[in-house]
Amino acid sequence: EAGVVQSPRYKIIEKKQPVAFWCNPISGHNTLYWYRQNLGQGPELLIRYENEEAVDDSQLPKDRFSAERLKGVDSTLKIQPAELGDSAVYLCASSREQGVSNSPLHFGNGTRLTVT
Amino acid sequence: GNSVTQMEGPVTLSEEAFLTINCTYTATGYPSLFWYVQYPGEGLQLLLKATKADDKGSNKGFEATYRKETTSFHLEKGSVQVSDSAVYFCALSGIQGAQKLVFGQGTRLTINP
Repeated sequence: EAGVVQSPRYKIIEKKQPVAFWCNPISGHNTLYWYRQNLGQGPELLIRYENEEAVDDSQLPKDRFSAERLKGVDSTLKIQPAELGDSAVYLCASSREQGVSNSPLHFGNGTRLTVT
Repeated sequence: GNSVTQMEGPVTLSEEAFLTINCTYTATGYPSLFWYVQYPGEGLQLLLKATKADDKGSNKGFEATYRKETTSFHLEKGSVQVSDSAVYFCALSGIQGAQKLVFGQGTRLTINP
């Protein structure tokens, strides 16, 4: 099966500019996740979707971050305006089974964001 | 809160050495435990998992046993190869029904020929 596809792979922007990331999950995977990975750290969840519904966005900084998953397939994550501290790798993941806590996540290669 | 603590890296070993990467967790309830691996230039991928106490997950020669009494899930391999060089992440999920993974900080492993 094709994997989780993310774009762009790299993005460099100046602070206060907007930026958007795109993710296409594995076909048939209902659950989609956005994680942020700071340098030298493990990924941290930003938001989780079940189909088109955001079921956990408690760690999404809603003043500047937004996400959508129209039609319950691909998703975009947006930052507006970006700050220096947003520099990180943004990871998208998907999983097949809803409501099953040990269902493995499949990760994309991530988008590395650098804010200057 | 729920957390995962991993052995500090980086770890450097010679080929065919024995590997242990320690992982301990703090959680209420009975989480599922995972090891994910990130090879250079690639995305995170699941290496192995265990869903209940005393389960042993294994894959590609790696093993980890879910130890409830010590809240640990140490990763081991008897004889490492250069191709095992990667960053390894311990993670848990399933706390109070939540599906989200909580990751440790990662351990960078380098194997020298």
